[in-house]
Amino acid sequence: NAGVTQTPKFQVLKTGQSMTLQCAQDMNHNSMYWYRQDPGMGLRLIYYSASEGTTDKGEVPNGYNVSRLNKREFSLRLESAAPSQTSVYFCASSEVTMGNTEAFFGQGTRLTVV
Amino acid sequence: RKEVEQDPGPFNVPEGATVAFNCTYSNSASQSFFWYRQDCRKEPKLLMSVYSSGNEDGRFTAQLNRASQYISLLIRDSKLSDSATYLCVVNPGGYQKVTFGTGTKLQVIP
Repeated sequence: NAGVTQTPKFQVLKTGQSMTLQCAQDMNHNSMYWYRQDPGMGLRLIYYSASEGTTDKGEVPNGYNVSRLNKREFSLRLESAAPSQTSVYFCASSEVTMGNTEAFFGQGTRLTVV
Repeated sequence: RKEVEQDPGPFNVPEGATVAFNCTYSNSASQSFFWYRQDCRKEPKLLMSVYSSGNEDGRFTAQLNRASQYISLLIRDSKLSDSATYLCVVNPGGYQKVTFGTGTKLQVIP
């Protein structure tokens, strides 16, 4: 059982380049999330999707877009990468709202923007 | 005041010691609480939920103090394998939007 799978695990981008982070879960969860984790800042919510077909902004959505492609997949796109987006990105999923149930995280994507 | 605050540590304790972490939250209406564990350069994983009556799972005990707005995690008989960062997670009641603390780092020393 793979759980939550993120790709790629590592990425280096030049300023202004674009890329898409992929996330898929095989637990039939309704809710999916994208977080970024910076030293001293903790995990901050970028976007979330309560269910297939819906997406909402989190705490730090600027510079990102998301797509809930189907129930399994939730992608995060950086249209024009900036050095401030250097971070570790985690995708997560939960059966229902994260505040009421366990969340499962992917292994993370370490992104460096130069 | 931050929504969720944790002492970042590190807490350096010898094997076998008892160690406790606190996490304070600002929203008195917060509904649910969790402790997650994160190993170095790994993803967070749920350690335990925190119930109003307190709960215990082996060497780990979680407590909630609503009056003072904090939750605590007590680890007894610390093992080397307990070395990790412990994240406090609070559901302030808003749909979907839990808040993560910045984490408390624990290092158990032989």
